[in-house]
This record gives sequence, C-alpha cells and structure tokens, in this order.
Amino acid sequence: ELQLVESGGGLAQPGGSLRLSCAASGFTLSSYEMNWVRQAPGKGLEWVSHIDNSGRTINYADSVKGRFTISRDKAKDTLYLQMNSLRGEDTAVYYCARDGGRDGYHWAFDTWGQGTLVTVSS
Amino acid sequence: QSALTQPPSASGSPGQSVTISCSGTSRDVGAYDFVSWYQQHPGRAPKLMIYEVTKRPSGVPDRFSGSKSGNTASLTVSGLQAGDEADYYCTSSGGINTWVFGGGTKLTVL
Repeated sequence: ELQLVESGGGLAQPGGSLRLSCAASGFTLSSYEMNWVRQAPGKGLEWVSHIDNSGRTINYADSVKGRFTISRDKAKDTLYLQMNSLRGEDTAVYYCARDGGRDGYHWAFDTWGQGTLVTVSS
Repeated sequence: QSALTQPPSASGSPGQSVTISCSGTSRDVGAYDFVSWYQQHPGRAPKLMIYEVTKRPSGVPDRFSGSKSGNTASLTVSGLQAGDEADYYCTSSGGINTWVFGGGTKLTVL
C-alpha cells in the first residue's frame, strides 16, 4: 500500500520556525516529484510548494515565498519543508502530496499523507 | 495565484445527479487540460477523483465524470450515494509546476 507520513508539526510562536518531514512506504519517494499542500482550520486546500526529482527545480506559492524552503534527502528518501518567519495565517494542516505524473496522473496529486498540524500562536 | 471559484455548496437526493463548477481564467483552467478534482471527507486526506479534466484513476466509480468548457471545469456525480457526501476541490495548473485550488464545495446528499 502506498503511504506518505508527515511529522514535525506542533506549536510555534510568531516569527519562529518549524521543519516538517515526509516519509514514504510502498514506493521510493525520491523517484517522484513532490508537493506540500496546506489547509487552514475550516478552510480549503492551498498549494504551497513543489520540488522535482533532482531537487533543482522548486516553486512556491506567493504566500510563502522567501519564508519556506522545500528540500529532499535522497539518502534518507525524505521530503522536508523548512518554515521560517511563521505567521498566524500559516496555521494549518500540512499535507505532503505525490505528483502522479510519473504514473500517468499528470499534474495531479495521486497520493497524500494524513497531514500534520502546525499552529502558530503566542 | 488567485483561487479558482467554486460554489460553496451543492446538494442532491440519492440517485440524482449533481454538477459542481470550477471557474478560472485563461491563465489556468482555460490554458491547460490539467484540471483535477479531489474528494475530502471530514478529518481525512483528500483523494484524487478526476485528473486531466476527464480521466478517472483506477478504483474511482464511473459515476464521477469531469468536463471543461473555456475557463470553467465541472465535476458531475451521477447516481448520488450517501458516501458521496464530502467536500470537493478542483485544482488547475497555474503555470509550470504551480497549482491553484478552488475554494471547495460541500456536497450534501439529502
């Protein structure tokens, strides 16, 4: 069974930092392009960031550009999201989501983790 | 990166059909045939239901179908069942390796 598992969420103060991780089972995460998507409490989904297989092509939503950094560790087969200068509006469940293009699901997120909650509050 | 526009709610009785719209612009929905739809039950992760406007992943019932005309995409759920009650989100490519989501539609099965 394909699975993604996020970790690293929790409570952070405004201006603080957190690092989220995403690990896979049932497939090799490093073979896929990956994304982070977030969902504020009671709100809709928001795409946050994308990284290609090599880690060299990276894109961010305007709302997090300059504050968040997506990366991947091929040896650990893990995806990360470093979140700095956190704001209250960053409070959300953060999902890692697999880009299904390699398997024919072009420009679609075919596998999602269960999410990790980030709360930014003093 | 403005959000796509979806109606906040939709409803139908069991067995009926309901269509949810997703309006974008010529820079996203209208520019690419890369619209996908996701179903999300409360407290659960989203699930891919439709990709590339009209295609269904294996395991998704053919009661779910997608279409697009100009800058507006649509998801139709036929033969409504109680388990279809969920939030539905559209998304489109907003350019190379960027995505934009709709605000979501809460589907109620009456």
